[in-house]
Amino acid sequence: DAEITQSPRHKITETGRQVTLACHQTWNHNNMFWYRQDLGHGLRLIHYSYGVQDTNKGEVSDGYSVSRSNTEDLPLTLESAASSQTSVYFCASSAQAEVDIQYFGAGTRLSVL
Amino acid sequence: EDKVVQSPLSLVVHEGDTVTLNCSYEVTNFRSLLWYKQEKKAPTFLFMLTSSGIEKKSGRLSSILDKKELFSILNITATQTGDSAIYLCGGSNYKLTFGKGTLLTVNP
Repeated sequence: DAEITQSPRHKITETGRQVTLACHQTWNHNNMFWYRQDLGHGLRLIHYSYGVQDTNKGEVSDGYSVSRSNTEDLPLTLESAASSQTSVYFCASSAQAEVDIQYFGAGTRLSVL
Repeated sequence: EDKVVQSPLSLVVHEGDTVTLNCSYEVTNFRSLLWYKQEKKAPTFLFMLTSSGIEKKSGRLSSILDKKELFSILNITATQTGDSAIYLCGGSNYKLTFGKGTLLTVNP
């Protein structure tokens, strides 16, 4: 079955370290998205991509970067992790034919100590 | 700046009750309104609404959109404990802006 997977599921890191969260989808979706979810804020968009080599900043992009070298993967990098980036991170994807309906991965819980 | 506001933020009901969750939106170049259910893990898709006044139904859940008032509601009838979750509303203009969600707790 096609799916979207995130890894790792849980990560603990120290402030100042570089961290990369992986997102891989096998639906061949063009569109991929990264969100963070915090109590009191709901889901907020970090970065998104509409295809290979395309990346765009979302609402809360400071301190994060993404790259899209193939259709299946959109890794999220925290250049220098900060305690304010402790959160649950969700990756999502959508098809070109139904661009509005996003399908979510199971999430990565990141703690920055 | 795009904005989606959900109310109430939390709700506690008894099994069998009917609940109405509210979502108002201000989204530039609005395309559609989506509802998701989030239990322990990933949000799962419930409904996408693009036209005013057309109700979407799935079992005990239904939803409708009012594009004049920029508003949507999600109704759940005969609630069950399995309906306990966070319900998220999002406005789409090719990317989704979400509200903070409504935490629904259904007690037996």
